[in-house]
Amino acid sequence: DVKVTQSSRYLVKRTGEKVFLECVQDMDHENMFWYRQDPGLGLRLIYFSYDVKMKEKGDIPEGYSVSREKKERFSLILESASTNQTSMYLCAFKLQRVLRNTGELFFGEGSRLTVL
Amino acid sequence: KQEVTQIPAALSVPEGENLVLNCSFTDSAIYNLQWFRQDPGKGLTSLLLIQSSQREQTSGRLNASLDKSSGRSTLYIAASQPGDSATYLCAASTDSWGKLQFGAGTQVVVTP
Repeated sequence: DVKVTQSSRYLVKRTGEKVFLECVQDMDHENMFWYRQDPGLGLRLIYFSYDVKMKEKGDIPEGYSVSREKKERFSLILESASTNQTSMYLCAFKLQRVLRNTGELFFGEGSRLTVL
Repeated sequence: KQEVTQIPAALSVPEGENLVLNCSFTDSAIYNLQWFRQDPGKGLTSLLLIQSSQREQTSGRLNASLDKSSGRSTLYIAASQPGDSATYLCAASTDSWGKLQFGAGTQVVVTP
C-alpha cells in the first residue's frame, strides 16, 4: 500500500516566520511534488523534484523554496511567511515500479497553513 | 499550456442514480489523465488513471473514458450512494515527469 505522510495537518504561523512543511514517502519513488490548493484557483504546482538535490520550479514558485537531501523526504520552505500564503499544501509522489510506471500520482492528507 | 475544465461545478443526485462527470482538456497530446476524489479538508485519493494509449479504465462501480481527439474524459459512477458525496477532480499530464494540470472539480452530493 502506497503512503505519503505530511508532518503537520494544521499550522498557524505569524507573518515573517520561516515555515517548514515536510513530506515523507515510504518507498523509493523519485518524483515528488508540492501543490497548493485555494478556493476558486484549484491546485497549482509550486515545485517538484526528480531526485535527491534536484528540483524544478512549478507554476507558482515565488516565495517558496524546497529541499531534498534524502530520496524519501521533500520539504517545502516558506522563508518569510505572508498572509497570501495561507492555503492547503499538498505533497505527492509519482508511483514508480518496474511493471507499473504509469505516472500515477499519490497525495498526502495535506497541511493547512494559516498565516496571521 | 494545458487547460483543464470540469463542468458542472456542482451536482446533486438521488441515491441509486448513475453519475456522469465531465472533464475537458485543451492539449490532446496528453501523457495520461487521472481522476481523484477529495473529501472536505482531506487530501486527494486516486480513483483511476488512463494512459494516453487507452480508451477507458474500470474499477468497481467506476468507469473512466478518454477521447483525445475531442479533448474529453468522462467519469461514470454507477448506482450512486451517499458515501460517493465528495469533490471529484480530473488532472491531465503532458509529460512523463508526472506534473499534473487540474480542473476545478465537480462537487457531488448524493441524497438518500
